[in-house]
Amino acid sequence: EAGVVQSPRYKIIEKKQPVAFWCNPISGHNTLYWYLQNLGQGPELLIRYENEEAVDDSQLPKDRFSAERLKGVDSTLKIQPAELGDSAVYLCASSLAPGRSSGNTIYFGEGSWLTVV
Amino acid sequence: AQSVTQLDSQVPVFEEAPVELRCNYSSSVSVYLFWYVQYPNQGLQLLLKYLSGSTLVKGINGFEAEFKKSETSFHLTKPSAHMSDAAEYFCAVRDDGGSQGNLIFGKGTKLSVKP
Repeated sequence: EAGVVQSPRYKIIEKKQPVAFWCNPISGHNTLYWYLQNLGQGPELLIRYENEEAVDDSQLPKDRFSAERLKGVDSTLKIQPAELGDSAVYLCASSLAPGRSSGNTIYFGEGSWLTVV
Repeated sequence: AQSVTQLDSQVPVFEEAPVELRCNYSSSVSVYLFWYVQYPNQGLQLLLKYLSGSTLVKGINGFEAEFKKSETSFHLTKPSAHMSDAAEYFCAVRDDGGSQGNLIFGKGTKLSVKP
């Protein structure tokens, strides 16, 4: 079974340019997460979706970050314009819907590594 | 609010020596606890998890962890380190919202294994 798929794996852009990351969760997983991982730190939640609804976006910097999950499957995270401090790893993750026995396990993709120069 | 403290940012061990990575959490409700491992340039892989039941949890690659509610700890151990264990390890907590709660991560512990 395929895991969480993210692209691109690596991206280098100049500051003030836009960038987008794509994520395809594990088949059947209704819950999708985007996490930010700065160098030497643990991941921090940016946004969580239940199907196509963003149920927790309190940590998403909405002035420059946006996300969508239009059909409740794959998702896109966008930054526009990018700043030097956005250099980090953007991790996508997914899990089964709440209430199911395996729903407590969150599975992560390999991450999209962003460098802003 | 929940938080996770990983007491050591780096842990060096010799090959075949025992490993202990410490994790303490704070939460006012029942929690679910997790350990993830991250190899260089890769995403996070689940090592083990505690949801309920036996407080001693066994995971992949010979790792295990013990949930001690009285000490609010969930330390990760392995009897004998291998060179391939060198990686960063993250402890995480999820609140009693269970499946509806978010994972809160510690800052990570980098395990290095010397020959």
